[in-house]
Amino acid sequence: EVQLLESGGGLVQPGGSLRLSCAASGFTFSGYAMTWVRQAPGKGLEWVSDISTNEKSTYYSDSVKGRFTISRDNSRDTLYLQMNSLSVEDTALYFCARETKREDWYFEVWGRGTVVTVSS
Amino acid sequence: QSVLTQPPSVSAAPGQKVTISCAGSNSNFRNNYISWYQQFPGAVPKLLIYDNNNRPSGIPDRFSGSKSATSATLDITGLQNGDEANYYCVTWDDRLRIWLFGGGTQLTVL
Repeated sequence: EVQLLESGGGLVQPGGSLRLSCAASGFTFSGYAMTWVRQAPGKGLEWVSDISTNEKSTYYSDSVKGRFTISRDNSRDTLYLQMNSLSVEDTALYFCARETKREDWYFEVWGRGTVVTVSS
Repeated sequence: QSVLTQPPSVSAAPGQKVTISCAGSNSNFRNNYISWYQQFPGAVPKLLIYDNNNRPSGIPDRFSGSKSATSATLDITGLQNGDEANYYCVTWDDRLRIWLFGGGTQLTVL
């Protein structure tokens, strides 16, 4: 069964750091681009960051650029999101998703998410 | 603020048809396809439509999508109470080099 399992969320003070992980199983992780999407409480979905299969291409939303770093370890089938200089606006449920391409890319598989709360 | 514009809410009676619009711009619509996602409260987003108008296995043909130069629509026919959810359009923006999500549309079945 294809699965994504996020972990690493928690309560952190403003200015602090967290590293999220997304463990993949049931498919060849190294063959898929991956993305992080977040959802603040009561709000819509917001794309955060994207990484290619070999890490050569990474992309970030303006809201996290310079503070977050996406990476992956294909030998461990795991996606990461290093989050630094966290602010209360980063409080959200963070999903990882697998990208698939037919004619174009889309988010075919989603994890259940991990909650990040930034509060003093 | 989302660069893809969706109506915040739509509603219709059971059995009726509803259309959810998604407006973008040339830099994101011209060369890229749209996907749509359904999310029930407290649940994980689910792929509904990919490549503008294709349904993954298991998605009923009551759901359909279309795209024009700078807009896309999701049509849901034969509305059911179980369709009450939030719906999001998504595409890649070639100029900004980012993924764009619409703000989401809450569907209410009256």
